[in-house]
Amino acid sequence: DGGITQSPKYLFRKEGQNVTLSCEQNLNHDAMYWYRQDPGQGLRLIYYSQIVNDFQKGDIAEGYSVSREKKESFPLTVTSAQKNPTAFYLCASSIDPLEGNNEQFFGPGTRLTVL
Amino acid sequence: LAKTTQPISMDSYEGQEVNITCSHNNIATNDYITWYQQFPSQGPRFIIQGYKTKVTNEVASLFIPADRKSSTLSLPRVSLSDTAVYYCLVVTTGGYQKVTFGTGTKLQVIP
Repeated sequence: DGGITQSPKYLFRKEGQNVTLSCEQNLNHDAMYWYRQDPGQGLRLIYYSQIVNDFQKGDIAEGYSVSREKKESFPLTVTSAQKNPTAFYLCASSIDPLEGNNEQFFGPGTRLTVL
Repeated sequence: LAKTTQPISMDSYEGQEVNITCSHNNIATNDYITWYQQFPSQGPRFIIQGYKTKVTNEVASLFIPADRKSSTLSLPRVSLSDTAVYYCLVVTTGGYQKVTFGTGTKLQVIP
């Protein structure tokens, strides 16, 4: 089955530690995205990537880093510089950012808790 | 980016038709209107997208007036499983479609 996978579903880390969230897609989509969602809030864009080896900062990139070495993978690292990293993290992909029908397909999310 | 405004929450009884309106006064010529649905602790799911007039699929209908400054998502005969947050987005074509998810409308379906 085609889709987006995120792992792990739940993640606990101590304050001050970097942590990397995995996102993999087998939909052959060009574009991938990372969002953060806090309780009762909408989604906020962290980083996005239109093609391999290229990515751009979103609205709240500070304290995060990404890489896009392969089309199917877009890992997100939450660094110790992120002041309040506890949140629900969602990864998404879309076929072609230049097309009008740019439906985004979302993964199941990773809930990160920093203790 | 065109900003959208929609009600924070709505309640509806099972079996009723629900209409959620979204305003997007600054919508541009190349913008499409897109709606997503999100259940708790899950990623959003695409529902419907339109440019003008009316679009219908197996899940919902989307009504867009001629001036395109607003749109209405219509859910026919809702059930308890339609309880979710619904997001209205304006998406620009012809380039990277950086989208903004607002807080959405929390729909509570009551038995």
